[in-house]
Amino acid sequence: SAVISQKPSRDICQRGTSLTIQCQVDSQVTMMFWYRQQPGQSLTLIATANQGSEATYESGFVIDKFPISRPNLTFSTLTVSNMSPEDSSIYLCSVDWGRGTDTQYFGPGTRLTVL
Amino acid sequence: AQSVTQPDIHITVSEGASLELRCNYSYGATPYLFWYVQSPGQGLQLLLKYFSGDTLVQGIKGFEAEFKRSQSSFNLRKPSVHWSDAAEYFCAVGALNTGKLIFGQGTTLQVKP
Repeated sequence: SAVISQKPSRDICQRGTSLTIQCQVDSQVTMMFWYRQQPGQSLTLIATANQGSEATYESGFVIDKFPISRPNLTFSTLTVSNMSPEDSSIYLCSVDWGRGTDTQYFGPGTRLTVL
Repeated sequence: AQSVTQPDIHITVSEGASLELRCNYSYGATPYLFWYVQSPGQGLQLLLKYFSGDTLVQGIKGFEAEFKRSQSSFNLRKPSVHWSDAAEYFCAVGALNTGKLIFGQGTTLQVKP
């Protein structure tokens, strides 16, 4: 399985600012995903990030609010822009390990609090 | 549309007792099914997965799950629960070749000493 790290692990931000979350994988992977987990809730897919193409966003999520970069096969960033308290969540990246398994492995998450 | 239902929001069991967490899914074809566990302050760890073949799947930490197509279920079981099993458990269904996962609402497991 992949080893996935995220930075920062947690942050407290002011309303109206932006935060960029980094996701690093120890192996090359084709598909990376970003999820949001609001307090006490399940995980909701924000977007799929494939290297060399624009991210594909799920209904209810837009690029202006959650711009994503995927510069290579081991790294991705998610930016939460113009934050409001409603953006307080855990943000998780995951990778599709592929190799015919269609199995996702998750990073430890970034706990974001917006004041 | 694909969906996953975990009917039990919160379950409490005594240490050493058996455990069954329920999961029902809605999917038009043969699903890929997963169980993940999330300990407090942690990311998600894959417990087990079902793609095809034997409907009884063994996972890590002594967990197993049984796929029942007729009931659209994929329930997670453990014969004897340990205090360290207290966590949030998520069932998920994946669509073939899209990589997308749809998660259930999760079940919080509390273990009494």
